Amino acid sequence: QKEVEQDPGPLSVPEGAIVSLNCTYSNSAFQYFMWYRQYSRKGPELLMYTYSSGNKEDGRFTAQVDKSSKYISLFIRDSQPSDSATYLCAMITQGAQKLVFGQGTRLTINP
Amino acid sequence: EAGVAQSPRYKIIEKRQSVAFWCNPISGHATLYWYQQILGQGPKLLIQFQNNGVVDDSQLPKDRFSAERLKGVDSTLKIQPAKLEDSAVYLCASQGSGYNEQFFGPGTRLTVL
Repeated sequence: QKEVEQDPGPLSVPEGAIVSLNCTYSNSAFQYFMWYRQYSRKGPELLMYTYSSGNKEDGRFTAQVDKSSKYISLFIRDSQPSDSATYLCAMITQGAQKLVFGQGTRLTINP
Repeated sequence: EAGVAQSPRYKIIEKRQSVAFWCNPISGHATLYWYQQILGQGPKLLIQFQNNGVVDDSQLPKDRFSAERLKGVDSTLKIQPAKLEDSAVYLCASQGSGYNEQFFGPGTRLTVL
C-alpha cells in the first residue's frame, strides 16, 4: 500500500464548475499537508499549505484536512481554463523535510 | 528573485550511456533535493543535501546514480549506465532555512532509448 493515494484522473469539467480533488494517506505521523500545481513541462509550485486538521481558504481555493479519516481535499471554485494542470498532494511529518507525494490528478477545465 | 535553474531541459540517450544533470538552487538555500518523476506519477525523492552533506539518499540507486553538491551550492546528478526505466523528469528543488516550502526547477526530461 502506498503511503499517499491520489486518484490520477484525468478529470475534465466545464469552466465555472466546482472541482474536488482528494488524497488519502496511511501514515498518521503526517502533520503538514500541501497541494502543488504542476503545469505541463514545468516544475511543481506550492498552491496551498495546511498544518494538521482544518480548513484553509485562499481566493478560489480551499484545502481541507481530516486527520481522523486520513483524508485531504482541495476545492476549486469558479474553475478557469488556466487552472488546467496536474495537482499533486504532498505530506510531511513533524521535524522532517522529506515530502511524500501522491501520483497527481490531471485536471482540464473546458471553456 | 531567480528561481531554481536546471540544465539541460531535455536529453535523449541510448541505454548503457551515461548522463549528467545540473542544478543551481535559489541563492542562500541550504537544502537541495533531487526527485525523479516518472510519467503519470508524483515526484519521488532520490537524494537530499544540507549544504554539501547528504541527509537522505535511501532511495538513490547507488549502483548507477550518483550526486554531489560541491561548495554547498550547485549540484550534479549522474546516471551511469542508464537503463530504459530511468526515462523520467528529474526535478531539482531547494528550500531555505525555517521554511517548509520547496521551490522546484523546471526539470530535465530524460529519454533512454
